[in-house]
Amino acid sequence: EAQVTQNPRYLITVTGKKLTVTCSQNMNHEYMSWYRQDPGLGLRQIYYSMNVEVTDKGDVPEGYKVSRKEKRNFPLILESPSPNQTSLYFCASSPGPANEQFFGPGTRLTVL
Amino acid sequence: AQSVAQPEDQVNVAEGNPLTVKCTYSVSGNPYLFWYVQYPNRGLQFLLKYITGDNLVKGSYGFEAEFNKSQTSFHLKKPSALVSDSALYFCAVRDSYNNNDMRFGAGTRLTVKP
Repeated sequence: EAQVTQNPRYLITVTGKKLTVTCSQNMNHEYMSWYRQDPGLGLRQIYYSMNVEVTDKGDVPEGYKVSRKEKRNFPLILESPSPNQTSLYFCASSPGPANEQFFGPGTRLTVL
Repeated sequence: AQSVAQPEDQVNVAEGNPLTVKCTYSVSGNPYLFWYVQYPNRGLQFLLKYITGDNLVKGSYGFEAEFNKSQTSFHLKKPSALVSDSALYFCAVRDSYNNNDMRFGAGTRLTVKP
């Protein structure tokens, strides 16, 4: 089944404790993105990647890192999480910019 | 940078009536426009897109959208709403001049009442 998977689905952590949210797609897509969803703000793009080893900042990259060492994986790293990073995070992939994105199920992160 | 606006936070319609969810956009180049739907506790699902061609685009679940270049709008429509259409709807745009950057609207919550 074609899908985007994210782990964990739910995470409660404390300020400053490094964490990684994994994202994997099995569709051989070139493009991958991370978004955060906050009430009243819709989805905002954090980082995106056009291919292996090619990443760039989105609208709200501060406090986040990504890597794309393999085509299928695009982990999101929070080196020192803060409470303002409490949010719902989505990973997405697509074959190209004119194609629709396939979204993962989301990761709900709470930083205390 | 491109931007997209959904002027209504909430839209309420009665089952069987037509529905419209509004979206306007701003881009430097040509727009790639998308509509997505989000059901509770789920990720976003693709409904339809406009890249080029006919201004009226048909998508999943009986939804359609009309691209209007002069009004920079891409409103989502359905002739007869169902209770099961109740969800959060997002409009999104990429700019052909900077097609790596995707911008989403704030979302419109559609409620269809029996």
